[in-house]
Amino acid sequence: RKEVEQDPGPFNVPEGATVAFNCTYSNSASQSFFWYRQDCRKEPKLLMSVYSSGNEDGRFTAQLNRASQYISLLIRDSKLSDSATYLCVVNPNPNFNKFYFGSGTKLNVKP
Amino acid sequence: DGGITQSPKYLFRKEGQNVTLSCEQNLNHDAMYWYRQDPGQGLRLIYYSQIVNDFQKGDIAEGYSVSREKKESFPLTVTSAQKNPTAFYLCASSSGGSNSPLHFGNGTRLTVT
Repeated sequence: RKEVEQDPGPFNVPEGATVAFNCTYSNSASQSFFWYRQDCRKEPKLLMSVYSSGNEDGRFTAQLNRASQYISLLIRDSKLSDSATYLCVVNPNPNFNKFYFGSGTKLNVKP
Repeated sequence: DGGITQSPKYLFRKEGQNVTLSCEQNLNHDAMYWYRQDPGQGLRLIYYSQIVNDFQKGDIAEGYSVSREKKESFPLTVTSAQKNPTAFYLCASSSGGSNSPLHFGNGTRLTVT
């Protein structure tokens, strides 16, 4: 079983829509969770960390569900510029900084 | 500005040649990483280093080698033993601690023919 799994999409949504992605992780001891954004042929860039109580940054909201071992990313009022691949990242081992990446969920926001 | 620099951006090599990818960071981060990304795939960990003069194999270390002689530098050598070396290579660093995110360089796209 993969450490981190995501629905590859693509999610095709109109501008202004709300869209949500989920990501499941296999190691229940995982401590750190992040969402990254990756544009085509570019490096991943940190979008936001995911905290236990959930957190929000503008139009983006991240949630963690430890019982079901998944994290989610909600994007409200989608913009054309939100089109990208969103990567879920998990650090399963609290003693080492060893990160595992999901294969990414592609989002296409259409005019 | 602090950051991670990878060079070159594009690299072309003939099969059978070793090639070294450069990664330098001035973020004063202890941990550094090399990932490989193939088209339509996620990132896979090649090697990582938590501290100078120490490094660990990741999930796909075969055919690669690294060194960590300085805190700022973590070069990756793709050897002729690597069966499918053509890929996008990403270097990253982290300050350490379980809640510290990864910061990436802008990548090296290696093509071996």
